[in-house]
Amino acid sequence: NAGVMQNPRHLVRRRGQEARLRCSPMKGHSHVYWYRQLPEEGLKFMVYLQKENIIDESGMPKERFSAEFPKEGPSILRIQQVVRGDSAAYFCASSLQGSQGGYTFGSGTRLTVV
Amino acid sequence: TQLLEQSPQFLSIQEGENLTVYCNSSSVFSSLQWYRQEPGEGPVLLVTVVTGGEVKKLKRLTFQFGDARKDSSLHITAAQPGDTGLYLCAGSMIYNQGGKLIFGQGTELSVKP
Repeated sequence: NAGVMQNPRHLVRRRGQEARLRCSPMKGHSHVYWYRQLPEEGLKFMVYLQKENIIDESGMPKERFSAEFPKEGPSILRIQQVVRGDSAAYFCASSLQGSQGGYTFGSGTRLTVV
Repeated sequence: TQLLEQSPQFLSIQEGENLTVYCNSSSVFSSLQWYRQEPGEGPVLLVTVVTGGEVKKLKRLTFQFGDARKDSSLHITAAQPGDTGLYLCAGSMIYNQGGKLIFGQGTELSVKP
């Protein structure tokens, strides 16, 4: 009964490259959330998806960031033309039914832009 | 503007002491959750409180949801070094905008033996 799986755990990209972060939710969970965590800033909501649908992307920067959760396969958070300010820990979480019952988080992907 | 204010931000105590962490807001939440996060890992859900005035106990941890569902507290009795970590409160808005949680900035707890 695997939990939320995120990969890679660590990702180093040069400025201008693309970063792809993957997240497989817990078995049976159809709600996926992406959060970004910076030191001393807490967890900031980015996007909420269900299968093949973006439900709420109010926390996503308008440019360079996109997310998907296809019918088959993991959810992907894609950052194009990365900049130093994108360096952060990115966490994926999943839930059975919205947020009321709480999330199960993955271990995160630590993105470093050099 | 931080919707959920946690205090204190940092807390360093000796093993055996008691402590309380507060989570306050001017907004009403339909539920409030507490998570604990260790370095290099994702947050782990400790508890969810839903009803105003609700109190839940988890061994030495006591969680309370304010009557007006705007605030919450976490009390740890006889803290142990294993309690060290980042404690996060998170609220689900009363008009739930698609299930997202709003997180406080966290309380970094260090329990020294």
